[in-house]
Amino acid sequence: AQSVTQLDSHVSVSEGTPVLLRCNYSSSYSPSLFWYVQHPNKGLQLLLKYTSAATLVKGINGFEAEFKKSETSFHLTKPSAHMSDAAEYFCVVSDAGFQKLVFGTGTRLLVSP
Amino acid sequence: GAVVSQHPSWVICKSGTSVKIECRSLDFQATTMFWYRQFPKQSLMLMATSNEGSKATYEQGVEKDKFLINHASLTLSTLTVTSAHPEDSSFYICSARDKKGIFDQPQHFGDGTRLSIL
Repeated sequence: AQSVTQLDSHVSVSEGTPVLLRCNYSSSYSPSLFWYVQHPNKGLQLLLKYTSAATLVKGINGFEAEFKKSETSFHLTKPSAHMSDAAEYFCVVSDAGFQKLVFGTGTRLLVSP
Repeated sequence: GAVVSQHPSWVICKSGTSVKIECRSLDFQATTMFWYRQFPKQSLMLMATSNEGSKATYEQGVEKDKFLINHASLTLSTLTVTSAHPEDSSFYICSARDKKGIFDQPQHFGDGTRLSIL
């Protein structure tokens, strides 16, 4: 069975500083991994996805993530935080047929001026 | 891009009433739709998977008679919370799977419905 662990429930950064949101996965086969963002009282928006192509994945709004098989990690980064980045971020793993998504517990990103 | 519309966005009702939530795919055909429940400051928990024209598949621990799911067409799925009670208060999110674009994005999400039972 697949699972993801988001190591931080909250991350606080100042505007203009780098963002790092950590995610480790567990899967019995080569996984498909995703990062979604959720703003308050909203649904989820896909930031980026990894599906066994390039290990460094670039997404929307300047976010990127690197798939590291040796570390079973898929951490999300952004060079410079913006106030609008404040939201909840979910690391997600999919089963082989994209039938089900398994969500991590989420990381709340707080951005201060 | 693919849009999923969820209605209503917010509903408040009295204990004992039934509430229906609609999920529509606006510009694609959704062979499969998913219903999630999200408690405050927690992750999304899959409640059920519905395929057009067939019975929904419920996750373990989800009451079928409590949460009725109908997927009558390729663009509409409904979730009815029957005889709702305060413990059913939550944020419900639907998503839809576009078979054509499956490798681009596995599921497209609605904006959610905030259900409050008094």
